[in-house]
Amino acid sequence: AQKITQTQPGMFVQEKEAVTLDCTYDTSDPSYGLFWYKQPSSGEMIFLIYQGSYDQQNATEGRYSLNFQKARKSANLVISASQLGDSAMYFCAMRFGETSGSRLTFGEGTQLTVNP
Amino acid sequence: GAVVSQHPSWVICKSGTSVKIECRSLDFQATTMFWYRQFPKQSLMLMATSNEGSKATYEQGVEKDKFLINHASLTLSTLTVTSAHPEDSSFYICSARDLVGYTFGSGTRLTVV
Repeated sequence: AQKITQTQPGMFVQEKEAVTLDCTYDTSDPSYGLFWYKQPSSGEMIFLIYQGSYDQQNATEGRYSLNFQKARKSANLVISASQLGDSAMYFCAMRFGETSGSRLTFGEGTQLTVNP
Repeated sequence: GAVVSQHPSWVICKSGTSVKIECRSLDFQATTMFWYRQFPKQSLMLMATSNEGSKATYEQGVEKDKFLINHASLTLSTLTVTSAHPEDSSFYICSARDLVGYTFGSGTRLTVV
């Protein structure tokens, strides 16, 4: 079965601290892509970071890094030096396969609140 | 970067009427467009996948006669909610596959009264 899971409905972090948002997945397909999106209350989906299944190194984008553990089938998002503006819903998503029609399947989401 | 323009951003309609939502790719050709629905505090659920020039593929449980999808050109896909009812009130958002990954529209908040 192809599934993606986020087990943390809500997370709290103090401003300037780091936070890890968990994401696990299940697939038998050797080729897949993992994405993280931020969704503020406005509803827009903001792309944060991408990790391909064949990528040797963990992806990083500014304050965002992806802790990709292929054997454990996990792709946790690490946000360093949290800011108040990071408060939002965060979704882990997966593309199963590599065809052009491959859609994204989303996890349940984690609501992150950054406290001052 | 790639941009998908989605309109309207919000709409209120009466029960029984139809509402059309448009998604337009502004600087790239969107061969495939995905339509999602999101209820409050829930995840995005894929409703259907539309391919330019062909019929949309609907996910299980999504009524194709109620949610009409048209993808007549490489830059425009539309979702029409026909005979809308209060339970159709939701956030609808489209997404197109681009060269890098996926580009999302800004979403449409539909309220049926």
